[in-house]
Amino acid sequence: QKEVEQDPGPLSVPEGAIVSLNCTYSNSAFQYFMWYRQYSRKGPELLMYTYSSGNKEDGRFTAQVDKSSKYISLFIRDSQPSDSATYLCAMSAEGTGGFKTIFGAGTRLFVKA
Amino acid sequence: NAGVTQTPKFQVLKTGQSMTLQCAQDMNHEYMSWYRQDPGMGLRLIHYSVGAGITDQGEVPNGYNVSRSTTEDFPLRLLSAAPSQTSVYFCASSSKPDIPLHFGNGTRLTVT
Repeated sequence: QKEVEQDPGPLSVPEGAIVSLNCTYSNSAFQYFMWYRQYSRKGPELLMYTYSSGNKEDGRFTAQVDKSSKYISLFIRDSQPSDSATYLCAMSAEGTGGFKTIFGAGTRLFVKA
Repeated sequence: NAGVTQTPKFQVLKTGQSMTLQCAQDMNHEYMSWYRQDPGMGLRLIHYSVGAGITDQGEVPNGYNVSRSTTEDFPLRLLSAAPSQTSVYFCASSSKPDIPLHFGNGTRLTVT
């Protein structure tokens, strides 16, 4: 079993829809939770990160962490064609130091105009 | 405003050849790392560094070497290329441990 599981999609939605992207994990020691966006032929771009449980909002993006269920989500409101990309979740445990971060395989999102 | 710069963008090697993938950052970040990205597997950590002169192994270090003589540069060396090393390689840097903040745009390597 992978430490981090992410549905690869693809997920196709119409412009303006609310998108929900999710990851599950098995290591209860994870405390940092990150979401990255990756356009084709580009490197991942950090969208946001949270520490421990709770919600964090940044513009049209909201990240949620439910540590009791070992489940994290990224919501995109008013989705735009420019949001079409692969979204990677990632997580790490505090104190390990030096980038022992585990990534999900990514979910491909298509937003249709 | 370069951020993390990786060279080359593309490379084709024959089995057994060696090469160095270059990575440079201009943000004075302490933490740098190398990942490989394969279809369906996500990013996997190869090696990382927490500062000049300090490196350590990640999840998949075999067949790769690194060194960190300066804060800015973190080259990745393939000692004897194998077809299993065909992948896209990303370098990342950060001011925070455990949270890669900035990635380069990758080197696409094919080993035949």
